[in-house]
Amino acid sequence: SQQGEEDPQALSIQEGENATMNCSYKTSINNLQWYRQNSGRGLVHLILIRSNEREKHSGRLRVTLDTSKKSSSLLITASRAADTASYFCATDGAGTASKLTFGTGTRLQVTL
Amino acid sequence: ETGVTQTPRHLVMGMTNKKSLKCEQHLGHNAMYWYKQSAKKPLELMFVYNFKEQTENNSVPSRFSPECPNSSHLFLHLHTLQPEDSALYLCASSFHSGSSYNEQFFGPGTRLTVL
Repeated sequence: SQQGEEDPQALSIQEGENATMNCSYKTSINNLQWYRQNSGRGLVHLILIRSNEREKHSGRLRVTLDTSKKSSSLLITASRAADTASYFCATDGAGTASKLTFGTGTRLQVTL
Repeated sequence: ETGVTQTPRHLVMGMTNKKSLKCEQHLGHNAMYWYKQSAKKPLELMFVYNFKEQTENNSVPSRFSPECPNSSHLFLHLHTLQPEDSALYLCASSFHSGSSYNEQFFGPGTRLTVL
């Protein structure tokens, strides 16, 4: 299975702290994407990192990709209560059978 | 507001009913998707349409029937569903080129409950 697996499943931090979430996958990819979902709502795209990239930044977000370890991390710096949500990684598998495959997500709770 | 709308937002139906979910995208994308999201399970891709042509049917039971009349509209027709089909159904759209999947824009979802 190409499915990404996020770790940890749940994370609780205080406002101002950094949050790190990890994603592991099994086969070669074209790109890896991170999404955010507020409870019961649609997913919102955060950032896309291609297989030939190692790091990308977007505001308070930093994503790394290690294709040799088939893993990625999402770092949210200086977290805010509004960052409370579920975060998913999605992998675009390389090859003719490619499709965007989502993991089970990390539930982040940021408390005041 | 992502530019992808879904109606209805909530739907309760009996197992013998027939209903349809509607999705519309205002982004000029060429690909549209139906996903199923159940509790404690990964997001499941159901169908992919690329330029109105169905390019993927991810082993979805025939009680789910998609329709894509044009590149902006996508329907999911439902009939004789089972209680285990209760879930959040998400529509998404994107630019799809070659074999690479770009960022997807999701609608707010339809929360479906099958009694």
